[in-house]
Amino acid sequence: GDSVTQMEGPVTLSEEAFLTINCTYTATGYPSLFWYVQYPGEGLQLLLKATKADDKGSNKGFEATYRKETTSFHLEKGSVQVSDSAVYFCALRKTSYDKVIFGPGTSLSVIP
Amino acid sequence: GAGVSQSPSNKVTEKGKDVELRCDPISGHTALYWYRQSLGQGLEFLIYFQGNSAPDKSGLPSDRFSAERTGGSVSTLTIQRTQQEDSAVYLCASSLFRDSPLHFGNGTRLTVT
Repeated sequence: GDSVTQMEGPVTLSEEAFLTINCTYTATGYPSLFWYVQYPGEGLQLLLKATKADDKGSNKGFEATYRKETTSFHLEKGSVQVSDSAVYFCALRKTSYDKVIFGPGTSLSVIP
Repeated sequence: GAGVSQSPSNKVTEKGKDVELRCDPISGHTALYWYRQSLGQGLEFLIYFQGNSAPDKSGLPSDRFSAERTGGSVSTLTIQRTQQEDSAVYLCASSLFRDSPLHFGNGTRLTVT
């Protein structure tokens, strides 16, 4: 079945470090891909998305590129801040009629 | 404006009891989802509503689980004869349309003792 795999956490980085969180997926066709973020004490919220191959989603300094050839959607940020500490979930949706399938989440802690 | 509201925020119940979890979606959102998050696990899909109908209930783990949505708004997830393995955080999300971003509530933490 369709699934999403993420790198295991927790990830701990110093402020201003470069961030990569790996995400790969298994699905037929051309799903839409998403990154959701859950800040402490808050509900999950959409961070960015990409709907077709080679699209780049970006928001709040985060970026992710839809790579069909490697079935990947890695999340990157050039310089993390303490306020980026959260749990990050990679997700896919095959069509607008389908449910959103989430990965297990990756916890990120950024220390000053 | 108001976000997705879930109640109660915490629920402790004895094994074998029934529980009801409530979700108030964002006003006007047509789609509503229930997910379950167990310790160390990702989000497990349970059921999806479009309006009052549930086109996808494939994630409900057993016939002890049921859900309904009334008036295209409030949804209730009911778990009958709770078991310890039902302990988890139950998350509700709504979206304006079927393919719009999901907006999540803070969840209900269910503990079955």
